[in-house]
Amino acid sequence: KNQVEQSPQSLIILEGKNCTLQCNYTVSPFSNLRWYKQDTGRGPVSLTIMTFSENTKSNGRYTATLDADTKQSSLHITASQLSDSASYICVVSAGSNFGNEKLTFGTGTRLTIIP
Amino acid sequence: SAVISQKPSRDICQRGTSLTIQCQVDSQVTMMFWYRQQPGQSLTLIATANQGSEATYESGFVIDKFPISRPNLTFSTLTVSNMSPEDSSIYLCSVEDLGGGYIDTQYFGPGTRLTVL
Repeated sequence: KNQVEQSPQSLIILEGKNCTLQCNYTVSPFSNLRWYKQDTGRGPVSLTIMTFSENTKSNGRYTATLDADTKQSSLHITASQLSDSASYICVVSAGSNFGNEKLTFGTGTRLTIIP
Repeated sequence: SAVISQKPSRDICQRGTSLTIQCQVDSQVTMMFWYRQQPGQSLTLIATANQGSEATYESGFVIDKFPISRPNLTFSTLTVSNMSPEDSSIYLCSVEDLGGGYIDTQYFGPGTRLTVL
């Protein structure tokens, strides 16, 4: 059964600090891994998408890493801002990159930035 | 990127009634999906809305409970029928967009927050 596990479940950090969120997955056949940010009361917004051959990808202050051998990914947030308070969801896609993909969603990490 | 709107944004409904949620996309898309996100949980795919044909439902979801329409490439509706408090969730519309590349990106609507009393 395809599974995506995220840790920690929740995290509280001071504004300006860095943090790292973890994602472990057992999804086969692996196609790509995505990180989404979901603000309270809103739909998820894509931050990064990585394929098997990519081991790091950045989007502003967000940097995602992927280790396809250990089936682990991390999302590093640098110099956190109050607007980073949200749930961060790791999503792994199984199947081919040309359609018929199945997405498995993690339960998310709830990040709270305090001033 | 696709811009998705949903109506209503939220609603409070009585047990036994039905609610239809609308999803409008600003461009034609091939794939449209409906998800449910129960409180404190992650997203669960309900079905793929197919244009001009019946939706494809995931295990645990049936057409009688969640009828879906997809009359064209920019619009879809999801009806939550004969509601019970267990149907209280956020319902999200999603579309898939190749964006000129080879990896699809899924875009999500803002969601409809449903509370059933």
